[in-house]
Amino acid sequence: AQRVTQPEKLLSVFKGAPVELKCNYSYSGSPELFWYVQYSRQRLQLLLRHISRESIKGFTADLNKGETSFHLKKPFAQEEDSAMYYCALIGGGYQKVTFGIGTKLQVIP
Amino acid sequence: DAGVTQSPTHLIKTRGQQVTLRCSPKSGHDTVSWYQQALGQGPQFIFQYYEEEERQRGNFPDRFSGHQFPNYSSELNVNALLLGDSALYLCASSHRRGTDGYTFGSGTRLTVV
Repeated sequence: AQRVTQPEKLLSVFKGAPVELKCNYSYSGSPELFWYVQYSRQRLQLLLRHISRESIKGFTADLNKGETSFHLKKPFAQEEDSAMYYCALIGGGYQKVTFGIGTKLQVIP
Repeated sequence: DAGVTQSPTHLIKTRGQQVTLRCSPKSGHDTVSWYQQALGQGPQFIFQYYEEEERQRGNFPDRFSGHQFPNYSSELNVNALLLGDSALYLCASSHRRGTDGYTFGSGTRLTVV
């Protein structure tokens, strides 16, 4: 079975402070991990993928297979980063995607 | 490109009724997945269609069924509606394995009364 855990439902940080959104996963094979973001009144959209090792809007995420984690980080939070963030895992033969419960990031001006 | 389009945007049904939700994938995508998102929860995988066949299924009862058409569009059908089926239903399209990521529609808000 595959599982994604986001331990924090709400994370509040001040503008300019570092951000870390936690994601832990459980999967017996080699997973593919993603972060999706949903801004207010917008649809869910892909933020970044672990296989591309990219930085999007200043966010990065590193897959740590030893700790089975894929935490999302940004050194300096901006007000426009306020949104719901979902960690997701693709596993299985036909791309079954499992989402975490989501973390609401609130950046305080 | 309109991306993923879903219809209708909102729907109110009575317990026991049946409902059909529709999804048109993003141009170039051939795989459609459906998700149920209850309030305060992450999206829960219902099933995925590729080449007009159900390829994967989540932990949902047989009351939930679907279809994919030759043009890759898809329908989600729910029979014998329960109050607990009230949720936002999301459609996501991708190309094959979806490792390039999924493109989501804005969803259909279903309310069962």
